[in-house]
Amino acid sequence: DAGVIQSPRHEVTEMGQEVTLRCKPISGHNSLFWYRQTMMRGLELLIYFNNNVPIDDSGMPEDRFSAKMPNASFSTLKIQPSEPRDSAVYFCASSSSGGGSPLHFGNGTRLTVT
Amino acid sequence: GQSLEQPSEVTAVEGAIVQINCTYQTSGFYGLSWYQQHDGGAPTFLSYNGLDGLEETGRFSSFLSRSDSYGYLLLQELQMKDSASYFCAVKAASGSARQLTFGSGTQLTVLP
Repeated sequence: DAGVIQSPRHEVTEMGQEVTLRCKPISGHNSLFWYRQTMMRGLELLIYFNNNVPIDDSGMPEDRFSAKMPNASFSTLKIQPSEPRDSAVYFCASSSSGGGSPLHFGNGTRLTVT
Repeated sequence: GQSLEQPSEVTAVEGAIVQINCTYQTSGFYGLSWYQQHDGGAPTFLSYNGLDGLEETGRFSSFLSRSDSYGYLLLQELQMKDSASYFCAVKAASGSARQLTFGSGTQLTVLP
């Protein structure tokens, strides 16, 4: 089991540029989550997919953020245009169905917007 | 919405026992989870309580009281490698979604 795979591990970009973060969930998991972690705000849920369908995107901070899950093995989180306040570690996590099913996190993408 | 409270920092010595408390306020509660995160790493799952009582996994135990909206993580025989942040997380229903909301984390420092 390769675990949840995120790319890139690090991204440094200039304000105004488009950023795309990628995630491959664990095979067989039907739920996928995007979280953002900062010192000030902790771990925030941005969006949650179940069976490739977005269930709750109320955590997406603004229209500059969008997420897609075109199939069960791939998801993207896009920020356009990026701003310095978007600098954070972005985690993707997946889980199987079931109340107690744990989230398996990827190693995260550390985004720095200058 | 959901809110969780846990101490920001705890310090203990090797071999000791430490308890990290978590209180929560939420609707549609399903269960309480605990995650560990080392500096620069990803959160990793430790335990889940869906029912009242104690769950034990090796040196770690977790407790839940639904009536008190309270839980704790108990770490025994502390080791240096246990120095990390520990997050409680509430699984709750919001419409058709079952979301996991994390507390702000407790930084545990284990001293030799």
